[in-house]
Amino acid sequence: QKEVEQNSGPLSVPEGAIASLNCTYSDRGSQSFFWYRQYSGKSPELIMSIYSNGDKEDGRFTAQLNKASQYVSLLIRDSQPSDSATYLCAVKSEGYQKVTFGTGTKLQVIP
Amino acid sequence: SAVISQKPSRDICQRGTSLTIQCQVDSQVTMMFWYRQQPGQSLTLIATANQGSEATYESGFVIDKFPISRPNLTFSTLTVSNMSPEDSSIYLCSVVRADEQYFGPGTRLTVT
Repeated sequence: QKEVEQNSGPLSVPEGAIASLNCTYSDRGSQSFFWYRQYSGKSPELIMSIYSNGDKEDGRFTAQLNKASQYVSLLIRDSQPSDSATYLCAVKSEGYQKVTFGTGTKLQVIP
Repeated sequence: SAVISQKPSRDICQRGTSLTIQCQVDSQVTMMFWYRQQPGQSLTLIATANQGSEATYESGFVIDKFPISRPNLTFSTLTVSNMSPEDSSIYLCSVVRADEQYFGPGTRLTVT
């Protein structure tokens, strides 16, 4: 059973701070890792993909992957109230078309 | 990325009736996925739809309740049959392109 674990939150951070969202996964064969943002009442939106160990930066977002520890994280710098949403971690194994989603972490950015 | 549309965007239905949800993608994809997201919950995969073959259903979901069609590489439908209030949920169509998964806007279904 492939599992993806996230703290459900809510994670509250003040505006301008760094929000750190964490995710662990159980399948060592996982090769592709994704972060989605989901606003209330909307569908998930892909914001980051990461495939190799280390950091990947895109604007205010940085995804970090550590396959040895089976850990992936998302950092949001200079958090804005508009970042308030649920963030879903998703993992895919090599040769496997289906993605396993975590239950999501709710982020609240306080003005 | 992928541009995905779904119809209807929302509906309110009587118990015992059926609703067919349509999903259209901007260009051809091999696999399309149907998810359900109940209030406050994460995504649950219902089935995977390949063109020209029967859909593959996840544990807990059966074809009689959720029949799926996939007539071509850009279109699929999901029917929610003999609905009960427990079927009230958001239904999402999804596709994979270049190893990344994208979602349609969803269909919000309320069963009364």
